[in-house]
Amino acid sequence: DAGVTQSPTHLIKTRGQQVTLRCSPISGHKSVSWYQQVLGQGPQFIFQYYEKEERGRGNFPDRFSARQFPNYSSELNVNALLLGDSALYLCASSKTGSNQPQHFGDGTRLSIL
Amino acid sequence: GQQVMQIPQYQHVQEGEDFTTYCNSSTTLSNIQWYKQRPGGHPVFLIQLVKSGEVKKQKRLTFQFGEAKKNSSLHITATQTTDVGTYFCAGPPSNYKLTFGKGTLLTVNP
Repeated sequence: DAGVTQSPTHLIKTRGQQVTLRCSPISGHKSVSWYQQVLGQGPQFIFQYYEKEERGRGNFPDRFSARQFPNYSSELNVNALLLGDSALYLCASSKTGSNQPQHFGDGTRLSIL
Repeated sequence: GQQVMQIPQYQHVQEGEDFTTYCNSSTTLSNIQWYKQRPGGHPVFLIQLVKSGEVKKQKRLTFQFGEAKKNSSLHITATQTTDVGTYFCAGPPSNYKLTFGKGTLLTVNP
């Protein structure tokens, strides 16, 4: 079975631009979570979606938004990019939520110039 | 909000030595999860502990969950170079969020 897939793998943007990151969960997994990981830190929770509904939100500004589609894939959007948004963005899927093991994708490396 | 703290931040060992990392949560956890992230890679799930005082073993790795369900530890016996990476603990304050510690970076000198 295919694991969690994310695209693109790398992205370079400039300040003020907008970006959309994509994630396809493991087949049968209905929950998708997004994390931001900066170098030397643990993943920071951004959102969790389940059955197309947002169930959890971390301490991130409104510039960050996400959605989940009927096929359980998900997109993370970040508007008005700042230099501090440079990070590895990880998507994780699980069957129902955070009380179950999270299966991570390889991530999208976002660099803001 | 919930905080998850890990110590040490870094640990360098000689191959064959033992290694332990400790995790403490500011709140009681329903369960605790451990992940390993190799350099340049993504976090990979290792194990989940649910019961108070639970101990689980995976070959040379031993995981413990504290009686109060607020702390946990990971012990590796006789480290190998393949154990290199960052070990994270993570606790869900709810089913809708997962809080990770900052991790312990383990390096092993062959």
